[in-house]
Amino acid sequence: DQQVKQNSPSLSVQEGRISILNCDYTNSMFDYFLWYKKYPAEGPTFLISISSIKDKNEDGRFTVFLNKSAKHLSLHIVPSQPGDSAVYFCAASATTGNQFYFGTGTSLTVIP
Amino acid sequence: ETGVTQTPRHLVMGMTNKKSLKCEQHLGHNAMYWYKQSAKKPLELMFVYNFKEQTENNSVPSRFSPECPNSSHLFLHLHTLQPEDSALYLCASSGPLGANVLTFGAGSRLTVL
Repeated sequence: DQQVKQNSPSLSVQEGRISILNCDYTNSMFDYFLWYKKYPAEGPTFLISISSIKDKNEDGRFTVFLNKSAKHLSLHIVPSQPGDSAVYFCAASATTGNQFYFGTGTSLTVIP
Repeated sequence: ETGVTQTPRHLVMGMTNKKSLKCEQHLGHNAMYWYKQSAKKPLELMFVYNFKEQTENNSVPSRFSPECPNSSHLFLHLHTLQPEDSALYLCASSGPLGANVLTFGAGSRLTVL
C-alpha cells in the first residue's frame, strides 16, 4: 500500500503565477518530508525539506507547508518559471530509520 | 556533478545475460541505496546498505543481487531478468540516521529484451 501519494500526475501553470503541488501520507511515524525535482535523463535532485516540528519552510521561491493533522504537505513555487518544468516527487521518512518513501510524482509544466 | 556516479547510463540485455550496475559516491556518506523507477509508479526502494551492511531488502527477487564492498561503492548484479524489469535504476546515498537528504545519481536505464 502506498504510504505517500501525489494524486495529481500533471499540472500546468502560466509563467509568473503560483504552482501548488500536493502530497498526502498515511504513516503517522513520518516526521521528515522532502521534495525532489527531476529532469528527464537525470536523477532526482533535492529541493527543500521540512521537519514535523515546523509547519512551514521557505527557500527563495520555494515554500513547503506541512499540515500534520491532515497528513498533507504542499510545495508552493512563486513566481513559477519555465525552468521549473520538471517532475516533482514528494518523499517522507521517519528520522529513526533510513527508509525514504516516495510518491508517484507530479509533472509540472510552466508555460511561458 | 552530483557526487553520486552511476555506470552504465544505458544498458540493453537479453533475459539470459548477466550484467552489473555500478554506483560510486564521493560524499563521505555511509548509507547507500538502490531504487527502481518504473513508469507511473513511485520510486521503489530495493536495497539499503548502512556502513556496507545490508539493512533493508524490500522483497526483491533473487535475480537482483546487490554488493557493497565498501561505503563508497555499490553494485547491482543482474541475471536472468524479465522484460518487466526494464526501468530506471537509481542509486542514492545519505549521511547518518536522522533528518537526512538522499543524493541521487543520474540513473541507469535498463532495457531487458
